[in-house]
Amino acid sequence: DVKVTQSSRYLVKRTGEKVFLECVQDMDHENMFWYRQDPGLGLRLIYFSYDVKMKEKGDIPEGYSVSREKKERFSLILESASTSQTSMYLCASSLYGQISNQPQHFGDGTRLSIL
Amino acid sequence: AQSVAQPEDQVNVAEGNPLTVKCTYSVSGNPYLFWYVQYPNRGLQFLLKYITGDNLVKGSYGFEAEFNKSQTSFHLKKPSALVSDSALYFCAVRVSNRDSNYQLIWGAGTKLIIKP
Repeated sequence: DVKVTQSSRYLVKRTGEKVFLECVQDMDHENMFWYRQDPGLGLRLIYFSYDVKMKEKGDIPEGYSVSREKKERFSLILESASTSQTSMYLCASSLYGQISNQPQHFGDGTRLSIL
Repeated sequence: AQSVAQPEDQVNVAEGNPLTVKCTYSVSGNPYLFWYVQYPNRGLQFLLKYITGDNLVKGSYGFEAEFNKSQTSFHLKKPSALVSDSALYFCAVRVSNRDSNYQLIWGAGTKLIIKP
């Protein structure tokens, strides 16, 4: 069965810290995504990657960066955390090189609080 | 602008009754439409999708959705609701972005509450 694992379910960090969120998938999927989920706003795409070392900005990339050194792992980095980045972060993966019609498989999320 | 809307923040249904969760969209070109469900403290799970073909799409857990091109809608339905269907439901549509790649845009979500 498809498995997307996010390293932390809950995380508390301080303003100004550099924060790393890790995501690993075991399905050999080409595409990987980072979203943030906020009540009433649905999911908003931060970054996505369609291959190793490739990345594309989503709708809200400001304040974030990503790294994909291996196919199975996609990391989200908050360069200098701010309280506005308190949110639920969801990682997902899907098949194929283009964002086509394949369903996305999600991890259980990381609830990040920035104090 | 390309968009997807879920007009109801919350839907309340009695167990055993039919349920409908609404979704409307605005895209250029042919739409690819998806429904996902999120149970508490979990990630999203894929329910069903419409790409082409029959307007009535069947998915997981007894759910189905009807694509209506003239009304630009893709409502999620189930003939008989279960308490375990209580969750947050998201509609999504594939759009082409500024770089001519595709991405999904998501509705705000509808909380479905099934009462015993």
